[in-house]
Amino acid sequence: KAGVTQTPRYLIKTRGQQVTLSCSPISGHRSVSWYQQTPGQGLQFLFEYFSETQRNKGNFPGRFSGRQFSNSRSEMNVSTLELGDSALYLCASSWTSGSNNEQFFGPGTRLTVL
Amino acid sequence: GENVEQHPSTLSVQEGDSAVIKCTYSDSASNYFPWYKQELGKRPQLIIDIRSNVGEKKDQRIAVTLNKTAKHFSLHITETQPEDSAVYFCAHKDPYNFNKFYFGSGTKLNVKP
Repeated sequence: KAGVTQTPRYLIKTRGQQVTLSCSPISGHRSVSWYQQTPGQGLQFLFEYFSETQRNKGNFPGRFSGRQFSNSRSEMNVSTLELGDSALYLCASSWTSGSNNEQFFGPGTRLTVL
Repeated sequence: GENVEQHPSTLSVQEGDSAVIKCTYSDSASNYFPWYKQELGKRPQLIIDIRSNVGEKKDQRIAVTLNKTAKHFSLHITETQPEDSAVYFCAHKDPYNFNKFYFGSGTKLNVKP
């Protein structure tokens, strides 16, 4: 079974631009979560989608948004990019929600904001 | 219930020694605690997890202990090997929300041959 995939793997943008990242979960997984990883900060939870609905949201500004499609693929969008948005963005999928199921991470998208 | 304190931030051990990483959480209702290993340039991978109904779990050289009273849990790696070198993250699941996890800031483990 193919693992979680993310595209693109690397991205360079300038301040003020917007960006869209994509995540394809493991086949059959319906829950997709997004995390921001920065040095020394660990992984910060952005949001989680299940059956095309955002069910959880972390403490990030409204510039960060996402969506999920009927095939469970998910996208996240960051508008009006700031230098501090430079990070590794990871998505993770799991079989179902509502239980303590293992999350499988993708390789991440490395975003650099200049 | 978001706070997860993880210590130490870096840990250097000699091959064959043991390594211990500790995490503290704040919400006593938390009931699921996974540990992830992230090698350089790779994705985090689950290495072991523990639920609140047990106090210890072992898997070969790796063990996790949970003290619910003190609200802390620890990762123990015995007989460390150079391939154990990586960043380790503890996490706990938000007890009030589906699939919402809070992560520690990570421990960079270096195993010297």
